[in-house]
Amino acid sequence: ETGVTQSPTHLIKTRGQQVTLRCSSQSGHNTVSWYQQALGQGPQFIFQYYREEENGRGNFPPRFSGLQFPNYSSELNVNALELDDSALYLCASSALAGPQETQYFGPGTRLLVL
Amino acid sequence: LAKTTQPISMDSYEGQEVNITCSHNNIATNDYITWYQQFPSQGPRFIIQGYKTKVTNEVASLFIPADRKSSTLSLPRVSLSDTAVYYCLVAPNQAGTALIFGKGTTLSVSS
Repeated sequence: ETGVTQSPTHLIKTRGQQVTLRCSSQSGHNTVSWYQQALGQGPQFIFQYYREEENGRGNFPPRFSGLQFPNYSSELNVNALELDDSALYLCASSALAGPQETQYFGPGTRLLVL
Repeated sequence: LAKTTQPISMDSYEGQEVNITCSHNNIATNDYITWYQQFPSQGPRFIIQGYKTKVTNEVASLFIPADRKSSTLSLPRVSLSDTAVYYCLVAPNQAGTALIFGKGTTLSVSS
């Protein structure tokens, strides 16, 4: 059984560019959630995908968008990057859509916006 | 969503028991209490989850009083490798609801 994987591990972009981050969920999991973690802060919920549909969204602008594929892997897209988007982006997968079951986190993608 | 309050930091020595308390005064009837651990540059890792009374696993114990307005994560005999940030989360039993992380408690274990 493989765990949650994310790519790339690190990324440097400039303000105004677009970025796509990828996540492969743990085997058997059909729900993927994305979080943004700024330095010194806890992770902040961006959105969740369940069976390829968005299943909840946090307080993030529409330039943060996502996709989930039939194999339950997922992408996070961020358009018009801003300096404040610099953060660790975490993907978490779980077996059910719901918060009380455990979510398994990947190692994250460190994004730096210059 | 219930808001949680926990100490910003704690210090301990190897071999000691560490208890981290989390307050969640507005916890709802269908909320569960979950603790995660996070090492630098890694994603959070599930430690333990409970609804009421006491839960114990191979890593930690979770104590929840009858009013459920607080909970205590207990780490027995900590080691240097337990140095991490510990998050207390409270979440309702509702699909799509976000896990709300606070700033967590930074535990530093010294030899």
